[in-house]
Amino acid sequence: DGGITQSPKYLFRKEGQNVTLSCEQNLNHDAMYWYRQDPGQGLRLIYYSQIVNDFQKGDIAEGYSVSREKKESFPLTVTSAQKNPTAFYLCASTLLWGGASEYGYTFGSGTRLTVV
Amino acid sequence: SQQGEEDPQALSIQEGENATMNCSYKTSINNLQWYRQNSGRGLVHLILIRSNEREKHSGRLRVTLDTSKKSSSLLITASRAADTASYFCATDVPGYSTLTFGKGTMLLVSP
Repeated sequence: DGGITQSPKYLFRKEGQNVTLSCEQNLNHDAMYWYRQDPGQGLRLIYYSQIVNDFQKGDIAEGYSVSREKKESFPLTVTSAQKNPTAFYLCASTLLWGGASEYGYTFGSGTRLTVV
Repeated sequence: SQQGEEDPQALSIQEGENATMNCSYKTSINNLQWYRQNSGRGLVHLILIRSNEREKHSGRLRVTLDTSKKSSSLLITASRAADTASYFCATDVPGYSTLTFGKGTMLLVSP
């Protein structure tokens, strides 16, 4: 089945540690996105990538890094510079045609990151 | 700044009733989309309405778009307990590369 897979589902990070969240899609989608979701604040864009080897900062990129070496994969690293990383992280993808999304985004099931 | 704002923030109804959620936005759009999110899960795309469309149906969902008022509504008819979720609108704005999501409406449907 085609879809977008995020792993792990739950992740615990110690203070000062970097952690990497995985996002893989087999939908042949062009663009991929990372969002952070905090209670009552909706979705905030961290990074996005429209083609391989290129990515753009979103609204809250500080303390995060990404790579897009393959079309199928868009991992997100939460660095120690991110002071409040506890949140629910969502990865999404879409085919590009015209505007930002003619077909809607497909989301993964999310990774819940907790600092311990 | 938030492009889409949903109203109400929370809605509680009984099974069988209709649920209406509204979304207002600030600038012109290419399209507007509605998504559902069950607790602790990812968002699921429900329906997309283009700027030149006024109404669209999908099963028990009915979406309207009024570009003159910069607003959209999502109607869920004959609600079921399984419709309990948060509902988000998202706007595709000309010149922007990504969708902008609102903060969502939490819908609770009681048996």
